[in-house]
Amino acid sequence: QQQVKQSPQSLIVQKGGISIINCAYENTAFDYFPWYQQFPGKGPALLIAIRPDVSEKKEGRFTISFNKSAKQFSLHIMDSQPGDSATYFCAASNFNKFYFGSGTKLNVKP
Amino acid sequence: DARVTQTPRHKVTEMGQEVTMRCQPILGHNTVFWYRQTMMQGLELLAYFRNRAPLDDSGMPKDRFSAEMPDATLATLKIQPSEPRDSAVYFCASGLVMGSNQPQHFGDGTRLSIL
Repeated sequence: QQQVKQSPQSLIVQKGGISIINCAYENTAFDYFPWYQQFPGKGPALLIAIRPDVSEKKEGRFTISFNKSAKQFSLHIMDSQPGDSATYFCAASNFNKFYFGSGTKLNVKP
Repeated sequence: DARVTQTPRHKVTEMGQEVTMRCQPILGHNTVFWYRQTMMQGLELLAYFRNRAPLDDSGMPKDRFSAEMPDATLATLKIQPSEPRDSAVYFCASGLVMGSNQPQHFGDGTRLSIL
């Protein structure tokens, strides 16, 4: 049973556009929700994270929106750039055990 | 900039051979995780250590896989005997538990090919 469901599987966005990736979870005990960015040949790197006591967190062009009642959270990439082309993973954690989404491959067209 | 170091970065070997993958966690981190990444299954947790003690290895095939932390600076993942279905990228991640959840930091992985 997949603990965290991520969509879409792939995403194509024009340069300057907004990229939106969604995740949903079931376990209300999760208390930490990070997003990771992975480039080919590299390990996932922490991008931004949120705890369930806030509804939004913004760092530069990256924003996490968190809806506790709906058990959903999403990553928004504003002014998407070709350098943002990568695979993005959402995750949810409880007692430091992490459950990852299946990943979204983002392609930002110049 | 502290990093998780994994060796080797690539490994190609024949079915039946023993494979050992090594991980040096970030100094001071007290948790270590082993993941396997494939196109079909995504990131699967294989094993989880805290303060060098194994806490969860339920994701690991017990008959052929083993994970250990001989000291705080080294974690190993062994496969014996290896099979073609073990071909994947294996990631190690480390983190620091300080009461509440903290992020994991990943190495760049070992790309394993079993012929």
